[in-house]
Amino acid sequence: DQQVKQNSPSLSVQEGRISILNCDYTNSMFDYFLWYKKYPAEGPTFLISISSIKDKNEDGRFTVFLNKSAKHLSLHIVPSQPGDSAVYFCAAIDRGSTLGRLYFGRGTQLTVWP
Amino acid sequence: GAGVSQTPSNKVTEKGKYVELRCDPISGHTALYWYRQSLGQGPEFLIYFQGTGAADDSGLPNDRFFAVRPEGSVSTLKIQRTERGDSAVYLCASSSSSSDTQYFGPGTRLTVL
Repeated sequence: DQQVKQNSPSLSVQEGRISILNCDYTNSMFDYFLWYKKYPAEGPTFLISISSIKDKNEDGRFTVFLNKSAKHLSLHIVPSQPGDSAVYFCAAIDRGSTLGRLYFGRGTQLTVWP
Repeated sequence: GAGVSQTPSNKVTEKGKYVELRCDPISGHTALYWYRQSLGQGPEFLIYFQGTGAADDSGLPNDRFFAVRPEGSVSTLKIQRTERGDSAVYLCASSSSSSDTQYFGPGTRLTVL
């Protein structure tokens, strides 16, 4: 069963606009969430993370929001740039288990057009 | 500094053959992970090493899959009697501890004909 879900396989946004990528999870034990970006033929690159004790974390153009009651998080990219075009994976971890396993969603392909 | 490296970048083999995939983690990282990514899916956990020992191998799909990390650095994922369903990108990641951010290598694309 998929414990982390990204229900939108693709998103297309014009350059300069906001991109919003969504992620839902089912396991209430998850306490840390990460977003990775992946270009073709490369491994996932860490982008931004958030702990479950926070509801927002910001890093430059990237902001992640966490709604624990809804088991939902989102990644906002403002302003979007063509170089942001990639597959974005949401991942979650239960750090209390000490086992370090990441659970990934299926990814969302973001395309930013000029 | 150098990131996680994986070799080979591509491996084509025939059904039934044995393959070895290598991962060289970031220097000093004690935690090492293997994931497998099939087409259209996110990475799926295979095995986690803390130092030389496999702390969690519950993601290995069956006993044809085995991984080692004898000196606590480089790891090798070994697949016996490969099947077409094993075709995927095998990703390796490392972190300074199990609760820290994992950094991924470029992956090895395995194709079983």
